[in-house]
Amino acid sequence: ILNVEQSPQSLHVQEGDSTNFTCSFPSSNFYALHWYRWETAKSPEALFVMTLNGDEKKKGRISATLNTKEGYSYLYIKGSQPEDSATYLCASNTGTASKLTFGTGTRLQVTL
Amino acid sequence: KAGVTQTPRYLIKTRGQQVTLSCSPISGHRSVSWYQQTPGQGLQFLFEYFSETQRNKGNFPGRFSGRQFSNSRSEMNVSTLELGDSALYLCASSLRAGYNEQFFGPGTRLTVL
Repeated sequence: ILNVEQSPQSLHVQEGDSTNFTCSFPSSNFYALHWYRWETAKSPEALFVMTLNGDEKKKGRISATLNTKEGYSYLYIKGSQPEDSATYLCASNTGTASKLTFGTGTRLQVTL
Repeated sequence: KAGVTQTPRYLIKTRGQQVTLSCSPISGHRSVSWYQQTPGQGLQFLFEYFSETQRNKGNFPGRFSGRQFSNSRSEMNVSTLELGDSALYLCASSLRAGYNEQFFGPGTRLTVL
């Protein structure tokens, strides 16, 4: 993997469904993996920053896992709500630089 | 605590003109990074400034430049605008260079006609 890749590109679920997305990133020189939620007309909001292999983080109904050896991270949303509708971005940085390399995002739409 | 602010929020320019965008980081944050988003592309890193010095630069032509002031506010300049420069420009601030957590502003939407 040379770039940060996210799948699926978009997802449409119903309220109450649980869902998950995938982020693949280069595993060499890995430093940190970031997840952001980006709602239309707002600023990207930081969800998680993960650095250690096997890391699991949770914020309410949203959780994320990290596998730095194989270069992937999963984001899970339990019991999706309409307010979860947004684009979810992952980004990695290598070394200690602040430069983030972003994926193109997963666009989630949650309907009633 | 006020978040990252960017001005202006929207801008329309014509080809060949130049433009300056401004970013004020969260109080106490000393690192500012700039990103460009065009339709169908992920956010692309432009450059990072810390203590008035450019620390990293992305793969953009020399028409894109920036600077940072002693109060950590940053400006980004694009000269000789091209149609392809139409994009959303986001800045992000963090406590210090290399610090993991970055906070984004709402962006400046630039349209080049």
